[in-house]
Amino acid sequence: KAGVTQTPRYLIKTRGQQVTLSCSPISGHRSVSWYQQTPGQGLQFLFEYFSETQRNKGNFPGRFSGRQFSNSRSEMNVSTLELGDSALYLCASSLTAGQGRNGYTFGSGTRLTVV
Amino acid sequence: SQKIEQNSEALNIQEGKTATLTCNYTNYSPAYLQWYRQDPGRGPVFLLLIRENEKEKRKERLKVTFDTTLKQSLFHITASQPADSATYLCALYTGTASKLTFGTGTRLQVTL
Repeated sequence: KAGVTQTPRYLIKTRGQQVTLSCSPISGHRSVSWYQQTPGQGLQFLFEYFSETQRNKGNFPGRFSGRQFSNSRSEMNVSTLELGDSALYLCASSLTAGQGRNGYTFGSGTRLTVV
Repeated sequence: SQKIEQNSEALNIQEGKTATLTCNYTNYSPAYLQWYRQDPGRGPVFLLLIRENEKEKRKERLKVTFDTTLKQSLFHITASQPADSATYLCALYTGTASKLTFGTGTRLQVTL
């Protein structure tokens, strides 16, 4: 079966712009979690969605937002981009929410560069 | 504050030897501890999960131990191969926070 699909793979944006990233989970998976990965901070949890509802949120400013659609696809949006937002954004798919007991399936990520 | 520590220095070992990676944590009471492998430019790949009431878990050449008293997990790769070269991440899941928190990872380099 197809894995977790993230688009686009690479993105270059200018400071102050906004960006939308997309994630299609594994078919049948209803939970999507988003992580930001930087060399200095590692993987930082952004938010988790399950059945179109945000279940959990990390410690990121309000410029970071997300949503999930009825087909479980998810998007995350970053407004007013800053240089520090440059990172690899990873999406993780799981069958139900709180899948710490089963392991996540990650996509290959979107590499965002803010210039 | 809550902290997950993995050896930030790269671990270099010879092919055929056993690689041992360490994950230490403070101020957590994890219900589950997971290990992932990550290759450059790719997302992490789930390897193994161990529960708080389990001491050891094995999968092929992989072994994980979990000591909740020492607040430490050890990840072993036996008969290591150059293809095992990657960054290995540990992650803790607590039911209270209901999220997976990752360490910063240890880079493993297996040479011939």
